[in-house]
Amino acid sequence: RKEVEQDPGPFNVPEGATVAFNCTYSNSASQSFFWYRQDCRKEPKLLMSVYSSGNEDGRFTAQLNRASQYISLLIRDSKLSDSATYLCVVNIKAAGNKLTFGGGTRVLVKP
Amino acid sequence: DTGVSQDPRHKITKRGQNVTFRCDPISEHNRLYWYRQTLGQGPEFLTYFQNEAQLEKSRLLSDRFSAERPKGSFSTLEIQRTEQGDSAMYLCASSLLGYEQYFGPGTRLTVT
Repeated sequence: RKEVEQDPGPFNVPEGATVAFNCTYSNSASQSFFWYRQDCRKEPKLLMSVYSSGNEDGRFTAQLNRASQYISLLIRDSKLSDSATYLCVVNIKAAGNKLTFGGGTRVLVKP
Repeated sequence: DTGVSQDPRHKITKRGQNVTFRCDPISEHNRLYWYRQTLGQGPEFLTYFQNEAQLEKSRLLSDRFSAERPKGSFSTLEIQRTEQGDSAMYLCASSLLGYEQYFGPGTRLTVT
């Protein structure tokens, strides 16, 4: 079983719609959580950290459920520029802060 | 540009040759990480440094791979006797005290 699992998609989303997807993690010692965005053949870029109480950044909302060991990302009012792969990432401080990535969820926003 | 930089951006080499990649982190960041990413997968951790000390190496890092960060600033990743399976994007990231990591543009290696 992979440490971080994501639905690879693609999620085909009409422009202006809302899309949400989850990822699950297996290590209960995971302490920090992030969503990174990766465009084709580019490096991952930090989208947002995920806090225990949930947090919002503009059109993006992230939630953490420690009991069920999953995190979610919701994108409202999708833009064409939101088309990308979204990487779920966990960090175990006791393991030197190395990041463990999921395989990514591909989102395609269409006009 | 004060972000993470990597050089070269692309490298094509023949099987059996040695290659070396360089990463320059964000200047005040004390931690530097190397990851490898293959098509359709998320990045996988290879190794990390805190200042000049290499603190962890993944089992993915075979004895053909070596990384250094001699003065706690830039880092190099060397692959000896390259194999076709080494073809991947090699990503470097840096962070301050283990907080959020910022990635460089990567070095895309193709072994023919």
